[in-house]
Amino acid sequence: AQKVTQAQTEISVVEKEDVTLDCVYETRDTTYYLFWYKQPPSGELVFLIRRNSFDEQNEISGRYSWNFQKSTSSFNFTITASQVVDSAVYFCALSGPTGGTSYGKLTFGQGTILTVHP
Amino acid sequence: DGGITQSPKYLFRKEGQNVTLSCEQNLNHDAMYWYRQDPGQGLRLIYYSQIVNDFQKGDIAEGYSVSREKKESFPLTVTSAQKNPTAFYLCASSIGTVYGYTFGSGTRLTVV
Repeated sequence: AQKVTQAQTEISVVEKEDVTLDCVYETRDTTYYLFWYKQPPSGELVFLIRRNSFDEQNEISGRYSWNFQKSTSSFNFTITASQVVDSAVYFCALSGPTGGTSYGKLTFGQGTILTVHP
Repeated sequence: DGGITQSPKYLFRKEGQNVTLSCEQNLNHDAMYWYRQDPGQGLRLIYYSQIVNDFQKGDIAEGYSVSREKKESFPLTVTSAQKNPTAFYLCASSIGTVYGYTFGSGTRLTVV
């Protein structure tokens, strides 16, 4: 069975601070895909990034960066110089390969509520 | 623009009544999903459908029913058997889970 753990329930920072959201996953698949979604107060989940298990390169997109480490089964997300607009719930998710036992659905973590204060 | 439309945005129901939440997509995605979100519990899968006229139970299907008569539509009925239906409901679709989901904006259901 697959599992995603986001141990940080809530994080509160002051604007311009850097913040890292942790994600640890469990899977028996050798091929899998990891995702991060942002849920702003409006409610709709917004896709941020997708990473496959064979690509361990870190990725940077503007103020966002992601650190994927298979050795520790982690896929952490860092926001540099946080802004008030970054306040949201962030979800990490995991899917298995096409045709695998977990095919057909994503497994989500519990989510981390990030509040950025001005 | 392509996307997923959930309606209504807010819904109030009296105890003992069934209510149907609408989910329509024009993305030509085969797979569709319903999730329930409660504070502090993340997203829990209710039902999903990978193809028209077929659907599977998720982790918390009791008290819910779905249909998938058209590719574009995947309505969710919250029945009177659902003991605690007040929650935020999210619909999603996918061309394949390796690509992730596209989500609707959600329906907040309150039982009064």
